[in-house]
Amino acid sequence: EAQVTQNPRYLITVTGKKLTVTCSQNMNHEYMSWYRQDPGLGLRQIYYSMNVEVTDKGDVPEGYKVSRKEKRNFPLILESPSPNQTSLYFCASSLGYNSPLHFGNGTRLTVT
Amino acid sequence: SQKIEQNSEALNIQEGKTATLTCNYTNYSPAYLQWYRQDPGRGPVFLLLIRENEKEKRKERLKVTFDTTLKQSLFHITASQPADSATYLCALPNNAGNMLTFGGGTRLMVKP
Repeated sequence: EAQVTQNPRYLITVTGKKLTVTCSQNMNHEYMSWYRQDPGLGLRQIYYSMNVEVTDKGDVPEGYKVSRKEKRNFPLILESPSPNQTSLYFCASSLGYNSPLHFGNGTRLTVT
Repeated sequence: SQKIEQNSEALNIQEGKTATLTCNYTNYSPAYLQWYRQDPGRGPVFLLLIRENEKEKRKERLKVTFDTTLKQSLFHITASQPADSATYLCALPNNAGNMLTFGGGTRLMVKP
């Protein structure tokens, strides 16, 4: 089954403790992206990647890192999480940046 | 600045009626526009893509129009059903064409 898999689904952590949210897709998609979704602010793009080893900032990249060492994986790294990064995070992939996005089921992160 | 506006108030309609949702945008010149459906706590699911040279697109009970002069897209669900209740998001590429930006979404409630 074609899918984008994010882990974990839920994560509660403390300020400053580094964490990684994994994202994997099995559709051989070139384009991958991370969004965060907050009430009243909608979906905002954090980082995206057009291909292996090619990443670029979205609208809200501060406090986040990504890597794209393999085509299928696009982890999101929070080196020093802060409470304002408490949010619902979605990973998405597509054939190209002009193609429809396939989203994962989300990771709900709480930073205390 | 670029802006995508969807009615933030929920749309309540009776089962069997046609639901019409609006997406307005400013300072964009999109080559296409996409519509997604999002259920609570889940990732958005792609529904339809309409290109700038297409006035209308249909898929089963869904119809999308795209007026680049008015800078507006309308999303229609005919013969609506309670199962259509969800939040509907429109999305446009940025002017560089390398990122997809989402509107805030409109919540649709279809009552039996």
